[in-house]
Amino acid sequence: QKEVEQDPGPLSVPEGAIVSLNCTYSNSAFQYFMWYRQYSRKGPELLMYTYSSGNKEDGRFTAQVDKSSKYISLFIRDSQPSDSATYLCAGHSGGYQKVTFGTGTKLQVIP
Amino acid sequence: GAVVSQHPSRVICKSGTSVKIECRSLDFQATTMFWYRQFPKQSLMLMATSNEGSKATYEQGVEKDKFLINHASLTLSTLTVTSAHPEDSSFYICSANGPDIQGAAYEQYFGPGTRLTVT
Repeated sequence: QKEVEQDPGPLSVPEGAIVSLNCTYSNSAFQYFMWYRQYSRKGPELLMYTYSSGNKEDGRFTAQVDKSSKYISLFIRDSQPSDSATYLCAGHSGGYQKVTFGTGTKLQVIP
Repeated sequence: GAVVSQHPSRVICKSGTSVKIECRSLDFQATTMFWYRQFPKQSLMLMATSNEGSKATYEQGVEKDKFLINHASLTLSTLTVTSAHPEDSSFYICSANGPDIQGAAYEQYFGPGTRLTVT
């Protein structure tokens, strides 16, 4: 079992839709959770990170973490064609431990 | 924000030759940098953790002698793929800890990646 599981998609939505991206993880030691956006042939870009359970909002993006169910979500409101990319979730247990990434979900927002 | 650059962005080399990839933190100092490789439609696979002034820590299954890492300064780490073979063709990405978090790995900033093709 992979430490971080993510549906690879692709996920296609019309412009303006609300997008829900999800991950599950198995490592109980994870304390920090990140979402990265990766455009084709580019390096990942950190979108958001959260500590422990809870919600975090930044503009059109909301990250949710439920440690009891080991579930991570990213919501994108009013999705735009420029949001079309691969979204990677990741977990980290803190300190000098490595970050563990999911496989990424490819999102396509259709104008 | 923190910016990480990589050079070259893409390189084609012949089998048996060596290739060096540079990773630089442009506006901050990074005591720790990370090297990943990514195959098409797959996630990032951590290859090694590069610490300034000390030997890199390699992940299990990564050949130290094949993937040489040097972190000579607080802003530069290099990855040299020695005696490259076609199976080494991949997308190599480096990252560095953000300037606000010393030592912790979770706030990483990624370079744009280097696409290596070995013919």
